[in-house]
Amino acid sequence: DAGVTQSPTHLIKTRGQQVTLRCSPKSGHDTVSWYQQALGQGPQFIFQYYEEEERQRGNFPDRFSGHQFPNYSSELNVNALLLGDSALYLCASSWTSGSYNEQFFGPGTRLTVL
Amino acid sequence: AQKITQTQPGMFVQEKEAVTLDCTYDTSDPSYGLFWYKQPSSGEMIFLIYQGSYDQQNATEGRYSLNFQKARKSANLVISASQLGDSAMYFCAMREYRGSNYQLIWGAGTKLIIKP
Repeated sequence: DAGVTQSPTHLIKTRGQQVTLRCSPKSGHDTVSWYQQALGQGPQFIFQYYEEEERQRGNFPDRFSGHQFPNYSSELNVNALLLGDSALYLCASSWTSGSYNEQFFGPGTRLTVL
Repeated sequence: AQKITQTQPGMFVQEKEAVTLDCTYDTSDPSYGLFWYKQPSSGEMIFLIYQGSYDQQNATEGRYSLNFQKARKSANLVISASQLGDSAMYFCAMREYRGSNYQLIWGAGTKLIIKP
């Protein structure tokens, strides 16, 4: 049973560029959440997708957008990259009807903005 | 206001000793949940243990146990018989109902280093 997968593993971009990160949830999961984790800090919630719609959003600007596909996989898009967007981006999947909404995390995509 | 507080930025512990990692939380949601995750240098968050706000007994998972003191809003992680492989970042997180759904709020983490 494959866990949560994310691609790419690492990414280097320059300021002003756009980036797309991808996530495939654990088999049987229908909900995907995205987090940004800056170096030395805890993750910050970006948004959550369920049934192809954004269900919840954290305190992130509109430059951060996402999408969920019918197979439950998801993309995170970031436009007009800033140096401060450099971070580890974590994707987590869960089953919305699960007992306590335990989230399973992928290995993350490390984004560096130069 | 800080929702999850982990007061220990870093800890050094001798192998085979027990470890207690502190976590305090603040919420007005009566139905919340508390999680502990381990993050090795590889970056992946690994689920360790969960405690629901209505659970009467402290959660245990193998060498991990959660010392849940609801009145003090404390949810400390205890690792018994520490191993070298326990060296990692440890995060406490709280599931809280916000708007129309649950959200995970995270602490800043504690870096645990196990000495041989």
